[in-house]
Amino acid sequence: AQKVTQAQTEISVVEKEDVTLDCVYETRDTTYYLFWYKQPPSGELVFLIRRNSFDEQNEISGRYSWNFQKSTSSFNFTITASQVVDSAVYFCALNVPSSNTGKLIFGQGTTLQVKP
Amino acid sequence: DADVTQTPRNRITKTGKRIMLECSQTKGHDRMYWYRQDPGLGLRLIYYSFDVKDINKGEISDGYSVSRQAQAKFSLSLESAIPNQTALYFCATSGPGNSGYGYTFGSGTRLTVV
Repeated sequence: AQKVTQAQTEISVVEKEDVTLDCVYETRDTTYYLFWYKQPPSGELVFLIRRNSFDEQNEISGRYSWNFQKSTSSFNFTITASQVVDSAVYFCALNVPSSNTGKLIFGQGTTLQVKP
Repeated sequence: DADVTQTPRNRITKTGKRIMLECSQTKGHDRMYWYRQDPGLGLRLIYYSFDVKDINKGEISDGYSVSRQAQAKFSLSLESAIPNQTALYFCATSGPGNSGYGYTFGSGTRLTVV
């Protein structure tokens, strides 16, 4: 079975704090892709990152960083020095090419509230 | 113009009514999808299509139907809407292959069934 779990339903932090959003995935396939999306209050889905299963290098993009660990099946997302504009729902997603559906399997989402 | 356009953006309809949500894309991709988002459940796949003649059910297709009128157009219909179909609906398109490359979502349609 393929599954994505985001155990943190809601997180609240004060501006400038660092925050990590957890993502645990399940698949028996060795080839897969992991994604993070941001959904601000306006509702659209904003693509943040796509990572393939063969690339375990951590990635940093400005205040955002991602830690991919195959040993623990996790793909965690850290926001450094959070800002109010980071308040949103964040989704982790999994794609398994062998399913031949092209679909993304989404986690439940984590709502992040950054307070001023 | 947006790469993936969904209409309407918001809709309130009554139980038992037929409603169609429309989606068009300018990415030139063959693959198109309809997802439904519910609080606490993430997004779930309703239907997907790899080309005009290839339409497939996703994990929650009951109560829904789709039509792929052209490469660029993929509409979702609720034949007889019910309140538990109240949700945020997303259309998406992706590039060639099964790896989720080039996934692009529309802005969503917020549907309320009363």
